[in-house]
Amino acid sequence: DGGITQSPKYLFRKEGQNVTLSCEQNLNHDAMYWYRQDPGQGLRLIYYSQIVNDFQKGDIAEGYSVSREKKESFPLTVTSAQKNPTAFYLCASSIAPQGALTKNQPQHFGDGTRLSIL
Amino acid sequence: AQSVTQLGSHVSVSEGALVLLRCNYSSSVPPYLFWYVQYPNQGLQLLLKYTSAATLVKGINGFEAEFKKSETSFHLTKPSAHMSDAAEYFCAVSDTGNQFYFGTGTSLTVIP
Repeated sequence: DGGITQSPKYLFRKEGQNVTLSCEQNLNHDAMYWYRQDPGQGLRLIYYSQIVNDFQKGDIAEGYSVSREKKESFPLTVTSAQKNPTAFYLCASSIAPQGALTKNQPQHFGDGTRLSIL
Repeated sequence: AQSVTQLGSHVSVSEGALVLLRCNYSSSVPPYLFWYVQYPNQGLQLLLKYTSAATLVKGINGFEAEFKKSETSFHLTKPSAHMSDAAEYFCAVSDTGNQFYFGTGTSLTVIP
């Protein structure tokens, strides 16, 4: 079955440490996204990528970095510069809109990674 | 910028009662609207999406939503709540299709 796999499910970070969250999809989607979810705040966009080797900052990119070397993979690194990293992180993918007929494509989500500070 | 407002961060209904979750959007162009459901410690699952082919959209698990342009609303309903409907529900809007803007979510509790 096609889908999005996020790993690990739970992750713990020590102060001053960088950690990388994995996101892999086998849906053949061009576009991939990273969101941060905090209670009562909905989903906030961190980074997104429409094509391999290209990505754009979202609303809260500070303290995060990404890469898109392969179509299937979009790892997120939470750096030590992110002062409040404790959150639930969600990866999503979608068909990249090519025109009006494809603009209502939904995003498909992984099951998330919960990051906590030790 | 696009935005959605979900009125009521918590909604409680009795089992078998009508479920109504509210969503209003702001958009200067015809929007693309979606409802998602999230169960604890899981990702978001698509319930339904507005396609402009019909104002009443039917989704999975007996949910449906009605697009009302005059009210800029896309409320989610289900005639009879089931215990398994207890979850967090998110409304989302997209204009270009590149980015989604999510509401802050409504937590639905179903009382037996």
